[in-house]
Amino acid sequence: DAKTTQPPSMDCAEGRAANLPCNHSTISGNEYVYWYRQIHSQGPQYIIHGLKNNETNEMASLIITEDRKSSTLILPHATLRDTAVYYCIATGNQFYFGTGTSLTVIP
Amino acid sequence: DADVTQTPRNRITKTGKRIMLECSQTKGHDRMYWYRQDPGLGLRLIYYSFDVKDINKGEISDGYSVSRQAQAKFSLSLESAIPNQTALYFCATSETGTGAYEQYFGPGTRLTVT
Repeated sequence: DAKTTQPPSMDCAEGRAANLPCNHSTISGNEYVYWYRQIHSQGPQYIIHGLKNNETNEMASLIITEDRKSSTLILPHATLRDTAVYYCIATGNQFYFGTGTSLTVIP
Repeated sequence: DADVTQTPRNRITKTGKRIMLECSQTKGHDRMYWYRQDPGLGLRLIYYSFDVKDINKGEISDGYSVSRQAQAKFSLSLESAIPNQTALYFCATSETGTGAYEQYFGPGTRLTVT
């Protein structure tokens, strides 16, 4: 399972796009990139995952670089309810959660 | 009703006591997991089970044991609780198969060992 590196914290203005980066330079070919978020002390919530191609769902978009060494989670129109800790996980098996990025959406 | 439930939601216990945390799921998943989370840190895997007859140690299994009573139930036990096991505990489930799989988390159990 690849080690991931994320900035510890970020701010985003309400209504703007939030772009959360993740570095996973040691990712192997069969490992997926997953994003989860945890609001306060609730159970982590799945957001999106991808292997090679960019992905989009109702919550977010995931952009994976061509060499797969990094990715960006995009919340297109951040709201106050998106304030949370966001975890990037690169794995083919067990999930290893780092400390994530604490995103604060500012009114 | 929630797909993954955990009981109790909060528990305070004394050092040396045995305690069991329970997890039930209605998602029909074969795989179940137990994690702990310490303040300011991410989740760490304690044990996981890929089916009823399969139990595997995770990153931090010392001081813990588990029981997979049925496909839907996975319990975590602390045989003799100690204060540094004070943490937030999460249960999760996922489907079986190759490729990508989402993990679905329960609401957590906040355990305090005094």
